[in-house]
Amino acid sequence: AQSVAQPEDQVNVAEGNPLTVKCTYSVSGNPYLFWYVQYPNRGLQFLLKYITGDNLVKGSYGFEAEFNKSQTSFHLKKPSALVSDSALYFCAVRPLGQGGKLIFGQGTELSVKP
Amino acid sequence: SQTIHQWPATLVQPVGSPLSLECTVEGTSNPNLYWYRQAAGRGLQLLFYSIGIDQISSEVPQNLSASRPQDRQFILSSKKLLLSDSGFYLCAWSSPDRSYEQYFGPGTRLTVT
Repeated sequence: AQSVAQPEDQVNVAEGNPLTVKCTYSVSGNPYLFWYVQYPNRGLQFLLKYITGDNLVKGSYGFEAEFNKSQTSFHLKKPSALVSDSALYFCAVRPLGQGGKLIFGQGTELSVKP
Repeated sequence: SQTIHQWPATLVQPVGSPLSLECTVEGTSNPNLYWYRQAAGRGLQLLFYSIGIDQISSEVPQNLSASRPQDRQFILSSKKLLLSDSGFYLCAWSSPDRSYEQYFGPGTRLTVT
């Protein structure tokens, strides 16, 4: 079965420290990969995507993600966390041949403390 | 630029009452449209998606239905709400040639009492 896993329900980071939010996937073929962020009581906002090419992709708000095909992972990273980065982060994949359908992970709550 | 609207923002309805949530997109034509439900502030469940008027696919059998009366309007309905229908309902759109990149509306918080 095709799936996305975000193994951490919550990640706590001190402001100024680097952060990583983990994502692994299990789909056939080479999927498209995405990260979205959700602030409280708001819709999801697109952060970045990997389609093809360079394994390190850069997105909004200083975030980046690294695609690792051998480990089927797409971890979200930021060199220096801000308190305002505190939110719910979702990893998503679009399996090939599935049109616009996305499979979302369960989300990781990122908390950045001053 | 493209914008997506959802209303109402919040809704409290008794069990057994009907439901109608509306989503409209501006600034694009022939978008793909999606309805998601987010329960307990976590995982997203795709409920319906549409690639055109009268082309709607249901992902999860339930007492909800969707309609697309106009190109950029997507409506989520129910004849009789259940307690389990409570949640945060999100509408999203994508362009047909970049269907993998979805843009979400602000959501509707539904509480069934």
